Amino acid sequence: DQQVKQNSPSLSVQEGRISILNCDYTNSMFDYFLWYKKYPAEGPTFLISISSIKDKNEDGRFTVFLNKSAKHLSLHIVPSQPGDSAVYFCAASAGNMLTFGGGTRLMVKP
Amino acid sequence: ETGVTQTPRHLVMGMTNKKSLKCEQHLGHNAMYWYKQSAKKPLELMFVYSLEERVENNSVPSRFSPECPNSSHLFLHLHTLQPEDSALYLCASSQYGRADEKLFFGSGTQLSVL
Repeated sequence: DQQVKQNSPSLSVQEGRISILNCDYTNSMFDYFLWYKKYPAEGPTFLISISSIKDKNEDGRFTVFLNKSAKHLSLHIVPSQPGDSAVYFCAASAGNMLTFGGGTRLMVKP
Repeated sequence: ETGVTQTPRHLVMGMTNKKSLKCEQHLGHNAMYWYKQSAKKPLELMFVYSLEERVENNSVPSRFSPECPNSSHLFLHLHTLQPEDSALYLCASSQYGRADEKLFFGSGTQLSVL
C-alpha cells in the first residue's frame, strides 16, 4: 500500500492564480518532506522541503504547509506562471527511507 | 560539465540483449542511486551506493546488476529483461546518502524492452 499519495493526477490553473498541490501520507514516522518538480525529458529537481518540527516553509512563490495531525502537506504556488507547468512529486523520509508520491501534473494556462 | 549525466537517453533492447546504463555525477557527492519510474507509478528506489559500497537493494531482480567503481560513476547492467521492465531509469546523487537530503537527478534513460 502506498504510504505517500498524491490523489490528484492533474491540476489546471490560470496564470496568476494560486496552484495548490496536495499530498497525504500514512506513516507517522515520516519527519521530513520534500517536493520535486519534473519537466518532460528531464530528471526531477528539488523545489522545497519542510521538517516535521515546522508547519510552514516559504521560498519565493513556493510555500509548503504541513499538517501533522491530518498527515497532509500541500504546496502552494502563487502567482502561478506557465513555466510552472510540470509534474510535481512529494516525498517523505523516515530514518533511511525515502518514499515518493505518484505525482501531480500541473498545467498553468496563459 | 556539472550535475548528473546519464547515458543513453533512450534504449530499446530485446529480452535476450545485454546492455548497460551509465551515470556520472560532477557534484562531489558521496552517495548515488538508481530509481525506476514506471507509467503511473511512484518513483521506486532500486539501489543506493554510499562511498562506493552498496547500502540498499530494494528487492530488485537479479537481471538488474549495479556497479559503482568510484564515487562519481554508477552503472546499471541489464540482461534478459522482461517487457514489464520498460520504464524510465533515473540516476541520482546526494551529499551524504541521508534520506532527508535533496537528491540531484539525471535526465534518465527511457528503456523499452521488446
